[in-house]
Amino acid sequence: DTAVSQTPKYLVTQMGNDKSIKCEQNLGHDTMYWYKQDSKKFLKIMFSYNNKELIINETVPNRFSPKSPDKAHLNLHINSLELGDSAVYFCASSVELRRTDTQYFGPGTRLTVL
Amino acid sequence: DQQVKQNSPSLSVQEGRISILNCDYTNSMFDYFLWYKKYPAEGPTFLISISSIKDKNEDGRFTVFLNKSAKHLSLHIVPSQPGDSAVYFCAARDARTGTASKLTFGTGTRLQVTL
Repeated sequence: DTAVSQTPKYLVTQMGNDKSIKCEQNLGHDTMYWYKQDSKKFLKIMFSYNNKELIINETVPNRFSPKSPDKAHLNLHINSLELGDSAVYFCASSVELRRTDTQYFGPGTRLTVL
Repeated sequence: DQQVKQNSPSLSVQEGRISILNCDYTNSMFDYFLWYKKYPAEGPTFLISISSIKDKNEDGRFTVFLNKSAKHLSLHIVPSQPGDSAVYFCAARDARTGTASKLTFGTGTRLQVTL
């Protein structure tokens, strides 16, 4: 009965590869997010989707492409992986886009680029 | 440009005593603040929030205080319990982001509650 789930939990890959991280929420929420937590523990927003529409797009390299096939899913595809992409990636969701809506986070995906 | 700062990376408190976690911010346009709690290998979990129009919000053992003039907020946990041992993140929203829920996080404070 996991609310926000991510797969895989761990991902180890070589530089230059392309990889995807999947996120699913079963809360019936309209809005989903991707956050990146780097080695310095900064947790920064990357993208936000509301009803499959891109709402927030921070200054993220265009090697990162989110895709939302439906309201319950927001996947993150990363092309040409670089060492600096190593981080923990968190997916989150909230009921709507209202600024006071609580965001519910997934367990994170630890990506290691060698 | 770190707009939300948690200057204490760790804090150790004895069970039953008060835990006080601090957070400072620089962006005067922040109007909503949240605390999240994170256990190892899990995502952050919402704990408590406060709007900038208030200076205190209480929920059970957890109280958040906001001092707008000092751009400072704190989370008080009373009494502290071993299960409170976790990393606590302070987060804030910028009023200028309109309806978009964009959170700016601090780097977290690791709280350890000892027996």
